[in-house]
Amino acid sequence: GENVEQHPSTLSVQEGDSAVIKCTYSDSASNYFPWYKQELGKRPQLIIDIRSNVGEKKDQRIAVTLNKTAKHFSLHITETQPEDSAVYFCAATSNSGGGADGLTFGKGTHLIIQP
Amino acid sequence: DSGVTQTPKHLITATGQRVTLRCSPRSGDLSVYWYQQSLDQGLQFLIQYYNGEERAKGNILERFSAQQFPDLHSELNLSSLELGDSALYFCASSVEPLRDSEQFFGPGTRLTVL
Repeated sequence: GENVEQHPSTLSVQEGDSAVIKCTYSDSASNYFPWYKQELGKRPQLIIDIRSNVGEKKDQRIAVTLNKTAKHFSLHITETQPEDSAVYFCAATSNSGGGADGLTFGKGTHLIIQP
Repeated sequence: DSGVTQTPKHLITATGQRVTLRCSPRSGDLSVYWYQQSLDQGLQFLIQYYNGEERAKGNILERFSAQQFPDLHSELNLSSLELGDSALYFCASSVEPLRDSEQFFGPGTRLTVL
């Protein structure tokens, strides 16, 4: 099955600076990589996703890059704001073996924006 | 608001008991997924249903079972509960069962086993 590693576990940046979170995956068959933001006690919310036929995707201050050869993908947040403080999860889907379509999540990154 | 609803919000019960968690997917979504979130295990995929049929199984214990009804709502049944089952249980839904379908999460049910 799929295994997703996420780093760092905690990231503290000054307001206005950029933040980068990195993930690696194990299953070369994975082709969908979403990123979720979760505030304390709330549901994970999809913020951006990328498919394996694309190398980069941008949505305002958020961008995701994918390197299929190296099997890693990254989330980039520019001009960070206090409301960006949350836990961010990367995920990947693998359709290997029995055809599981559930997401495999990384352990999460607690992003702290310092004022 | 994602459009996915879950009840109850909180559930407190004792070891050995059985509980049922309920999920209603977004209007038009045929696929329902169940996830467990705990501090030590993180977010883990449990099981998926699509249009009433079991589609995929993840790290779901034998003590747990689920089903999806004709009106597409789903229930997750947890039995012989243990302290370690205390967690947030999320339901998510998507239009299709495909691996690159966007999944929208419900607000979750917080289960506490005492």
